[in-house]
Amino acid sequence: RKEVEQDPGPFNVPEGATVAFNCTYSNSASQSFFWYRQDCRKEPKLLMSVYSSGNEDGRFTAQLNRASQYISLLIRDSKLSDSATYLCVVNLANTGNQFYFGTGTSLTVIP
Amino acid sequence: DTAVSQTPKYLVTQMGNDKSIKCEQNLGHDTMYWYKQDSKKFLKIMFSYNNKELIINETVPNRFSPKSPDKAHLNLHINSLELGDSAVYFCASSQRRGASGGRGSEQYFGPGTRLTVT
Repeated sequence: RKEVEQDPGPFNVPEGATVAFNCTYSNSASQSFFWYRQDCRKEPKLLMSVYSSGNEDGRFTAQLNRASQYISLLIRDSKLSDSATYLCVVNLANTGNQFYFGTGTSLTVIP
Repeated sequence: DTAVSQTPKYLVTQMGNDKSIKCEQNLGHDTMYWYKQDSKKFLKIMFSYNNKELIINETVPNRFSPKSPDKAHLNLHINSLELGDSAVYFCASSQRRGASGGRGSEQYFGPGTRLTVT
């Protein structure tokens, strides 16, 4: 079983739409959670950390549900520039400092 | 003023050769990482160093040897390159190692080194 699972998509949405991605993780000892975006042939870039109470950054909202072991990312008012692959990341924060990346969800925002 | 830099950006070499990839961060971070992203775009951690000390070494062939001369540098040396080593290798750094709540463990990635073994 994979440590982190994401729906690979692709998600094709019109500009202005709201889109949500979910990610599940298998290890209940996971401590830290993040969303990254990766553009084609570029490095992953931190989008936001995910805190227990949920957090918002402009059009982006991240939620964490520890009981069900999933993380979500909501993007409101999608822009063309939001087209990318979104990676869910989980850190065990154990002695090994394990970070696990999901395989990513592909988003294309259509004009 | 690049935060995390890697050299070279592209590396094409033949099977059996030995090559190195260099990584430097100017963020003052304590922890650095090497990741491999294969053709299916799956990103997998290879090594993690904290203050020049190895703290994670995933199931990676011992042909791969990381070296951290100081906190700002983490280099990756690969011996006897194989076709299956072809991938993009990313270096990353974080202020500190992972901890509950995540603050300070956010990772910042270098631009990647695209390795092609022929």
